[in-house]
Amino acid sequence: AQSVTQPDIHITVSEGASLELRCNYSYGATPYLFWYVQSPGQGLQLLLKYFSGDTLVQGIKGFEAEFKRSQSSFNLRKPSVHWSDAAEYFCAVGFGRRALTFGSGTRLQVQP
Amino acid sequence: GAGVSQSPSNKVTEKGKDVELRCDPISGHTALYWYRQSLGQGLEFLIYFQGNSAPDKSGLPSDRFSAERTGGSVSTLTIQRTQQEDSAVYLCASSLPGQGGTGELFFGEGSRLTVL
Repeated sequence: AQSVTQPDIHITVSEGASLELRCNYSYGATPYLFWYVQSPGQGLQLLLKYFSGDTLVQGIKGFEAEFKRSQSSFNLRKPSVHWSDAAEYFCAVGFGRRALTFGSGTRLQVQP
Repeated sequence: GAGVSQSPSNKVTEKGKDVELRCDPISGHTALYWYRQSLGQGLEFLIYFQGNSAPDKSGLPSDRFSAERTGGSVSTLTIQRTQQEDSAVYLCASSLPGQGGTGELFFGEGSRLTVL
């Protein structure tokens, strides 16, 4: 069955530390890949997306993600986390005209 | 407005009552989606409208759930005979034509439904 897995429900990092959020998918072919962020009291916002080409994609707010076909993964990274990055992060996959399928999310807490 | 607008932002209802949730998408966005976000869970796809095509209703959890989109713009999600397990945040999103799985979805802030 097609699925998107975010194995980490909750992650806590110190401000200034690096961050990596994991995302794995299970699909018959390589889907389009996305990361969205949901900040408290706000709607979801697209951070970055991968369709094809360079497997390292840059997004907004200093985030990047790397597509690894061999691992069916699309992990989100940031070199230095800021307190304002505290939010919930969702990985999502899409095919053609179908609606996106979202993972269960990872809640990020940032310690001062 | 410039973004996706949803109303009401909060709705408390009694078990067994019907509720209607409204979504006003971004002007020019012909694709409209409803998702449900339950506590501790991800976004669950409910239904997808694309222009004049038949909607993709494959995510609706039961026949108590229905949605319509009038004039290709505003959409209403209706939940009949609400149950406590229907308590969740209902999110609406819109996108440009044909961008369902390939493009950027613009989300509203959601309607939080609490069924007592």
